[in-house]
Order: sequence, then C-alpha cells, then structure tokens
Amino acid sequence: GQQLNQSPQSMFIQEGEDVSMNCTSSSIFNTWLWYKQDPGEGPVLLIALYKAGELTSNGRLTAQFGTTRKDSFLNISASIPSDVGIYFCAGQLKNSPDDKIIFGKGTRLHILP
Amino acid sequence: EAQVTQNPRYLITVTGKKLTVTCSQNMNHEYMSWYRQDPGLGLRQIYYSMNVEVTDKGDVPEGYKVSRKEKRNFPLILESPSPNQTSLYFCASSLSYPVDEQYFGPGTRLTVT
Repeated sequence: GQQLNQSPQSMFIQEGEDVSMNCTSSSIFNTWLWYKQDPGEGPVLLIALYKAGELTSNGRLTAQFGTTRKDSFLNISASIPSDVGIYFCAGQLKNSPDDKIIFGKGTRLHILP
Repeated sequence: EAQVTQNPRYLITVTGKKLTVTCSQNMNHEYMSWYRQDPGLGLRQIYYSMNVEVTDKGDVPEGYKVSRKEKRNFPLILESPSPNQTSLYFCASSLSYPVDEQYFGPGTRLTVT
C-alpha cells in the first residue's frame, strides 16, 4: 500500500539541542498529523495540519504542512529528557475516502545524558 | 476520565488457540480502529469501523476478524493465531473520522508460540 517515508529513523541528540524530522510521499495529502509515543504507551496527537503551507506550534513543537502537499516537518526546540519517544507522522491521501489514513514508520528520539 | 481500554495488556498463547482482545471507549466515538506495531514497520492498520455494524479492512487484515455490535466496543479476534501475529496491538477511537484526533489505548503485547 501507499507509504510515507519518515526520516530519520532514529536520532541521538544532546539535551538542549533542536530536533528536526520529516515525512515525504510521492502522493498529495489533505491532512498531516504528528503523534508521539512514549515508551510503553499508545501514541498521542501532538499537532494536526489541514492546509498546505500551514505552520502550527504546540509549545516547543512546530510542524508545517509542505506547500507541495507531499511533505511535512516537525521541529522540537531546546529538547528535554521527556521528549524521548517515537514520533509518527500520519496523513490522509487526497483521493482517499474520509475513513483512511496511513502512518509513517516513526522517528525514535534518544537524548544523551 | 475519557479513555480507551484494552484487555489483556499482555498475552502469551500457542498457535491455533482462538483469542479475543477487547477494546472499549467511553467517549461516544463513532470511529474505531485496530493497529499492529512491529519494529521497523511502524503502525499498520488492521481493521476499522466507521460506526455500529460498519467495519472495513485496513492494510493488514489477514488472520483477523472484528465486530462492532455496540458503539463503545470493538473486539479484535484471532481465530487461529500464528507466530507472525506476535506483535504490539493498539486500539484507537476518534469522534468521527481518523483525521480527528485518535485516542489510543495502552496496547496489548501478544506473543504466539
């Protein structure tokens, strides 16, 4: 089936550093969503994007819906230990029915002591 | 408290022994879904349901069944589990469409020997 290419697969950073990750596809998306999964728990929605070019913030997190509608970016500023986890992008394809979204494979964020 | 509950949280079983993983939500959500999470593969949708008595296949439905007799419950049934169904399973619900915020359950870790 259709896939989202999420990168990087994993990141090792120092506390305080900024983080950037992205998702790309060869297809056009109507909606982009960013979820975070803490260890041992289910994913939780961080940011939802509904318009091309949209830039939305949630605290230290900022996400953008790419202008081509084929990509999205998530940035985390001044990382802290509780940012550790897996970040997933998810999206709804332009021509899919309203009941179908797909997830990327995730970016695992590690913060070095 | 608004939540999605799954039971059991952990299950070890043998090949061919039928099992059911229950999922319940108390938010009066119409949309419910099952995902499996495997290392390197991210979240893959198994089945979803737009409303009572309405279910449809996701990306990896083989070997699974679901039912939606009541709005709040969406059990996942493995009629004859096999080792390749060893995985971490998540149930999720959202108000109407999956592009609404999906609330995920805590996960069920299934091992089939």
